Amino acid sequence: GENVEQHPSTLSVQEGDSAVIKCTYSDSASNYFPWYKQELGKRPQLIIDIRSNVGEKKDQRIAVTLNKTAKHFSLHITETQPEDSAVYFCAASSGGSNYKLTFGKGTLLTVNP
Amino acid sequence: GAGVSQSPSNKVTEKGKDVELRCDPISGHTALYWYRQSLGQGLEFLIYFQGNSAPDKSGLPSDRFSAERTGGSVSTLTIQRTQQEDSAVYLCASSLPTPGANVLTFGAGSRLTVL
Repeated sequence: GENVEQHPSTLSVQEGDSAVIKCTYSDSASNYFPWYKQELGKRPQLIIDIRSNVGEKKDQRIAVTLNKTAKHFSLHITETQPEDSAVYFCAASSGGSNYKLTFGKGTLLTVNP
Repeated sequence: GAGVSQSPSNKVTEKGKDVELRCDPISGHTALYWYRQSLGQGLEFLIYFQGNSAPDKSGLPSDRFSAERTGGSVSTLTIQRTQQEDSAVYLCASSLPTPGANVLTFGAGSRLTVL
């Protein structure tokens, strides 16, 4: 089955700096890669996703890049703010209709004011 | 409903007891998922429903775990003879898969503590 590795497990940055979280996946058939943000005590929520026919996608201060050949994808957050502090999960989908999302173990991002 | 509802939000039980966790998905969402979140372990896939059928139960940890979904809506996750290692937050999510994407909407979770 699919295996998703996520690094780093914790990341601390100063407000205004950039943050990068990286994930690798094992199933070459995976074609959908979402990122979820989970604030303390809250439920995970989708922040951005990318499909396999696209190499990069941006939404304001966040962007995701995908390298299908190398089977890795990354989340980039620029101009970080304290409210970006949360656990971020990457995921890769497999199976018909991309039904099965396999998640990484998460990255705890702390943005220091 | 407006979102995915889960109950109970918190459950404390004694080892060996059975527990039932309920999930009420977003109306019209055909896909329903159960994930387990333990400290530092990310989101562990348990089971997936498409309508009332469960084509993938591969994540259920043991035969003490079972789940059903009725009417293409509400789902119940049952854990029999609970063990301390079952303590975790059980998250339900639902979605309406579209070609090339599958956006999950999560519930707030049911926190299970087994004493």
